[in-house]
Amino acid sequence: EVQLVESGGGLIQPGGSLRLSCAASGFTVSINYMSWVRQAPGKGLEWVSALYSGGTTYYADSVKGRFTISRDDPKNTLYLQMNSLRVEDTAVYYCARDSGRAPHYWGQGTLVTVSS
Amino acid sequence: QSVLTQPPSASGTPGQRVTISCSGSSSNIGSNYVYWYQQLPGTAPELLIYRSNQRPSGVPDRFSGSKSGTSASLAISGLRSDDEAHYYCAAWDDSLSAVVFGGGTKLTVL
Repeated sequence: EVQLVESGGGLIQPGGSLRLSCAASGFTVSINYMSWVRQAPGKGLEWVSALYSGGTTYYADSVKGRFTISRDDPKNTLYLQMNSLRVEDTAVYYCARDSGRAPHYWGQGTLVTVSS
Repeated sequence: QSVLTQPPSASGTPGQRVTISCSGSSSNIGSNYVYWYQQLPGTAPELLIYRSNQRPSGVPDRFSGSKSGTSASLAISGLRSDDEAHYYCAAWDDSLSAVVFGGGTKLTVL
């Protein structure tokens, strides 16, 4: 059974950094396409970043240069390093395993709140 | 402003058939598969349709997807009260090198 468990969210001041983790089970992260998608309170879904099995990474323009997606193969875990956080980055962040080039299996999400 | 355009709301009565549209462009829907997601209140999204018209195992055949040119649609037949949720379309965009989502459609079962 595919399972994705996000962690690392919390309250952080503007300009701060946070690293989100996504522990996967039931499949191997390194041979799949993986994504991060976020949802601001009361808003729709916004794709953030993707990491393909070959190592290619993609980012939304809104986070390019500030966020970095990576994985730890022995730990079967996906990460999202978020730097220079802004109030508008406040959202629930979902980790997902893709089918083709879009999310298929989703985690339960972790809330990131950027506020002073 | 979302890259893919969906109506903000839709409604129907139990047993009815409703459709939700998703309009894009040649760089996204026009050249890539469309995905549809259902998000029940307070929960993570779930995949309903992939590759424009395929259902993952476990998704009832009341849900169907179609695509024509730069538009796609999700049809729900035999509407039930527990279909009340937000529905999102998504596709890869070749120009942006990114997944783009629609703004979401809130479905109300009257």
